[in-house]
Amino acid sequence: GAVVSQHPSRVICKSGTSVKIECRSLDFQATTMFWYRQFPKQSLMLMATSNEGSKATYEQGVEKDKFLINHASLTLSTLTVTSAHPEDSSFYICSALVERGYEQYFGPGTRLTVT
Amino acid sequence: AQSVTQPDIHITVSEGASLELRCNYSYGATPYLFWYVQSPGQGLQLLLKYFSGDTLVQGIKGFEAEFKRSQSSFNLRKPSVHWSDAAEYFCAVGGYSSASKIIFGSGTRLSIRP
Repeated sequence: GAVVSQHPSRVICKSGTSVKIECRSLDFQATTMFWYRQFPKQSLMLMATSNEGSKATYEQGVEKDKFLINHASLTLSTLTVTSAHPEDSSFYICSALVERGYEQYFGPGTRLTVT
Repeated sequence: AQSVTQPDIHITVSEGASLELRCNYSYGATPYLFWYVQSPGQGLQLLLKYFSGDTLVQGIKGFEAEFKRSQSSFNLRKPSVHWSDAAEYFCAVGGYSSASKIIFGSGTRLSIRP
């Protein structure tokens, strides 16, 4: 149980375009999901906390207008990278919180490359 | 301030040898502690977690970790490593709340010598 999926697994887009990444909890409901960014050979950096039915909470230094997060249902959160630039190229990972165990289950990640 | 320190960036051990990955944390309250493993280009898999109770925690794939409050440590161990254990390992700390964020250490890359 507690499987989290992400789609797409890999995306290449042109500079200036927008890209949407989906995060789904497949077999449980998640009122809270998290979005992380990971640079090569580095740790995960929390970008934002996504709460179902309310606005996301962004970490300091993360542009909320650039990284739009929507958590419209208990099983789906989306991250939209708007007007993407090459510096936005990264590995984006989401996680969903299992309330009972205070444990996060992670998706497999999405590799974004902006050309 | 809340933080997690993994002092070893890269460790190489021989297959069959024992392993210990170090983790120290700083947290204002009683922490939840986690170890995750990440294979190249993949997401994170939870190896084990400590919430309370027995300070020696057993996880998947033969891993265990010991919580030592006096040393603020949560080191990961395995008595005999396999080539498939080569990966990046992250220690993480969180709080007793569903609103608490998980803070990750910088990771330790484990290589296995044949």
